[in-house]
Amino acid sequence: AQTVTQSQPEMSVQEAETVTLSCTYDTSENNYYLFWYKQPPSRQMILVIRQEAYKQQNATENRFSVNFQKAAKSFSLKISDSQLGDTAMYFCAFMKHVYSGTYKYIFGTGTRLKVLA
Amino acid sequence: GAVVSQHPSWVICKSGTSVKIECRSLDFQATTMFWYRQFPKQSLMLMATSNEGSKATYEQGVEKDKFLINHASLTLSTLTVTSAHPEDSSFYICSISGGAGNEQFFGPGTRLTVL
Repeated sequence: AQTVTQSQPEMSVQEAETVTLSCTYDTSENNYYLFWYKQPPSRQMILVIRQEAYKQQNATENRFSVNFQKAAKSFSLKISDSQLGDTAMYFCAFMKHVYSGTYKYIFGTGTRLKVLA
Repeated sequence: GAVVSQHPSWVICKSGTSVKIECRSLDFQATTMFWYRQFPKQSLMLMATSNEGSKATYEQGVEKDKFLINHASLTLSTLTVTSAHPEDSSFYICSISGGAGNEQFFGPGTRLTVL
């Protein structure tokens, strides 16, 4: 069964600094997608970044980038130039193919990130 | 990305009553919708996958007779919590499947408190 592990329940970072959130997963599939979602205090889930497993190049979205290590089944998120608005819960998610045309997410337990002024 | 709304945003009800939560896809025809529940300071737990025009597929351990899901159109899915009890108090989130890589777009959630 697929599992997603986030080993850092809480982290903090100074404003403008860089922080890395870790995520590991377990799967026997070869083609899949990985995601990082942000859940701010409003509780609205917001997509931060997406990575296709067949792509060797790490995904980047402005200040957010990933370090995707397929063999190690590792998918860490790096936030550069941290801003106060980055304070949120961050969830790593593995997308699992269920049956024809249908996929579902398996979420990690989350990392609570606090950006300090 | 797609815009998803939920109604109500919060609801308080008495134990034993039923509560209906709506999930609407405002700008996307969603053949598949998902229902999650999230307890305080915990992750999202998938309850069921809802396909338009067919019965929902429930995750193991989720009582289908207690959590009734109806996905009658491509833009609306409803979750009814029947005979609610205090342990059903939680944050319920819906999402739709679409976009590149079948990513999910989430609603803002509904906070249910059962007294």
